[in-house]
Amino acid sequence: DAGVIQSPRHEVTEMGQEVTLRCKPISGHNSLFWYRQTMMRGLELLIYFNNNVPIDDSGMPEDRFSAKMPNASFSTLKIQPSEPRDSAVYFCASSPVIGGYNYGYTFGSGTRLTVV
Amino acid sequence: RKEVEQDPGPFNVPEGATVAFNCTYSNSASQSFFWYRQDCRKEPKLLMSVYSSGNEDGRFTAQLNRASQYISLLIRDSKLSDSATYLCVVNQAGTALIFGKGTTLSVSS
Repeated sequence: DAGVIQSPRHEVTEMGQEVTLRCKPISGHNSLFWYRQTMMRGLELLIYFNNNVPIDDSGMPEDRFSAKMPNASFSTLKIQPSEPRDSAVYFCASSPVIGGYNYGYTFGSGTRLTVV
Repeated sequence: RKEVEQDPGPFNVPEGATVAFNCTYSNSASQSFFWYRQDCRKEPKLLMSVYSSGNEDGRFTAQLNRASQYISLLIRDSKLSDSATYLCVVNQAGTALIFGKGTTLSVSS
C-alpha cells in the first residue's frame, strides 16, 4: 500500500504566481480531504470530497482557492494568485466513510508551501 | 468557543512517567473520537480511536465522557519516542474530522 501521495513536497513561489498541489488517495477510499496547517491556527479543513463530489468547501479561504477531483484517484488544490499568508503545510488525507461514519484518515506527507 | 480545545503544553516529563492529556469538545452531536500523533515536520497519524467504554492499547489508555464532552489520553511508562504532539479529533456523521491544535509532549532521559 503506497499510502496517500502528495506532490510536490516543497514549493517556493513568488507572490502572484499560481500554485497547484496534487494528491493521490489510497485506492478504495471514497473520501478525500484537504487541510492546511499553521502554527497559529492548527489543522484547518479546506474542503472534502465524497465519491469525487465536493461536500463541504466552507473552509476554502476565498476565491483564490479551488479544488477538483476529476476521478477517484486524483485531486488538485490550486491557489491563484498566491499570497504570503498562504504559506503553510497543506495535507491531503483519504478515508473510507461507511454509512456516514469516518473510520479515521490516512494523511499524505504534506506540501510545505512558501510564498515570498 | 472552539470546537475542540486542548492544553497546548508543553508537557515535559522524565522517562517512565505517567502523563495525561485532556480535551473538550463543544458539539454534543459528535459521534466519533480519535487521538492522532504528529511528529515534528511530519503528517498526523492515527494513534487510537476512543470508545465510550474506554479502551487501551499497550501503554495508552483513552477515555470518553459524553456527558461532560471530555476525552482523555493516558500514557504510562513514557518513552523518549513518545515525544510528539497529540491531537484530539472529533467527528459528526457525514462531516470531516475536526482537529484540536494539539498538546506537545517532551519526554527526557
